[in-house]
Parts: sequence; C-alpha cells; structure tokens
Amino acid sequence: DTGVSQDPRHKITKRGQNVTFRCDPISEHNRLYWYRQTLGQGPEFLTYFQNEAQLEKSRLLSDRFSAERPKGSFSTLEIQRTEQGDSAMYLCASSSRTGPNTEAFFGQGTRLTVV
Amino acid sequence: AQSVAQPEDQVNVAEGNPLTVKCTYSVSGNPYLFWYVQYPNRGLQFLLKYITGDNLVKGSYGFEAEFNKSQTSFHLKKPSALVSDSALYFCAVRASGGSYIPTFGRGTSLIVHP
Repeated sequence: DTGVSQDPRHKITKRGQNVTFRCDPISEHNRLYWYRQTLGQGPEFLTYFQNEAQLEKSRLLSDRFSAERPKGSFSTLEIQRTEQGDSAMYLCASSSRTGPNTEAFFGQGTRLTVV
Repeated sequence: AQSVAQPEDQVNVAEGNPLTVKCTYSVSGNPYLFWYVQYPNRGLQFLLKYITGDNLVKGSYGFEAEFNKSQTSFHLKKPSALVSDSALYFCAVRASGGSYIPTFGRGTSLIVHP
C-alpha cells in the first residue's frame, strides 16, 4: 500500500492555459474525493466519485472544472482557462469500500500557481 | 448541512505541557468525527476518529479526543506536547447516514515552544 499519489506536486501556469492533475488512490479504494485548499483555510470539497461514477459536485466547481475517474481507478481534474483565483493546493483523497465509516486518506497535493 | 468550527486560529503551548485544540460541529443525525494534521506543503494525515462507542478516542502520536454530544464538541488533546507536534490541525465531520463527504474546519495552528 503506497498511499494516495498525486502528480504533479507543483504546477505553474499562465492565466488562460489549461491544466490537468492526476490522482492515484490507494488500491481498491472505491471512494475518491477532490478538495481545494487555499492559504489559511481548510480543505473545501470539490467533487466525489464512487467507483467511476461522479456522485457529487460542489457548487464551487465552475464549468471550467471537470473531473473523471475512468474504470474507477485513477482520477484526473482538469481546469480550463485558468484564472489567478484558481491558485491553490488541490488535494485528492480516497477511502475504503469496506463499511461506511472509514476515514479518507490524502495525497500530498498539487500546488497550482496561476501567473 | 454539516459544518465544523475551530474557534482558535492558533494555540500556543510550552513543550511538556498538555494541549487542547477545540472543535465543535453541526450535523443532522449522528456524527462521524475526524482529526487530521498537516505539515507545511504536505497533505493531511489522519490522526483519529469517533464513530460510536467510548467517548474518549485514542489515536496516533499520543493524541486523543473526547466526544461530547451535548456540547457538540470533539476537542483534540495530548497530555504532554512536543515541539514536533507543531503543525496545522483540522477537524472534520460527516453525518452517519448521509453522504460520505467530510466537511473540514478552517484549521488551528499549533505552536509548541521549547
């Protein structure tokens, strides 16, 4: 069990460009979450997958954001036409299929800077 | 809707002294409660959880937390603080019968002075 892996760890992009982040959850975890964290704030929920199905999306998630989890394994989060306000740490987490009360395990995060 | 309040942005404590980081929550139904720790430029690490049963929960690195249903609180405690405990601490809640998505507080910065 190698934990939740996120790639890249850091991304600097120019405003208006598209970026894509990848998350590899703990193997056999069927639940996957994306959160965004800005300085001085706690993680804010973005979206949630159970297997390959995207079951919930935050109202914070604008149309420029899209997430996928093909085949219920890794997930990608894409931001189109990035804005400076998108600068944040993007966190991925996963939790187990066994039982309803298991905790989420987080990756190291991808820090996005939009210049 | 579920929410978490961490009323202190920062807690300062001397090494060797007991520490408490406060958390109160709001949720429909029974809560599942969690504490996480975050070191600079890192993801969140799970510390402990309350699901049911004994109100005093023990977790990693000597931390424990006490669930108080009447006060809707889940304060994090440690009998003797270490300088290495200095980090950001986040409390999270989700409803037992609701979605699987935890809601996090804003975090509390714990500073342990030598």
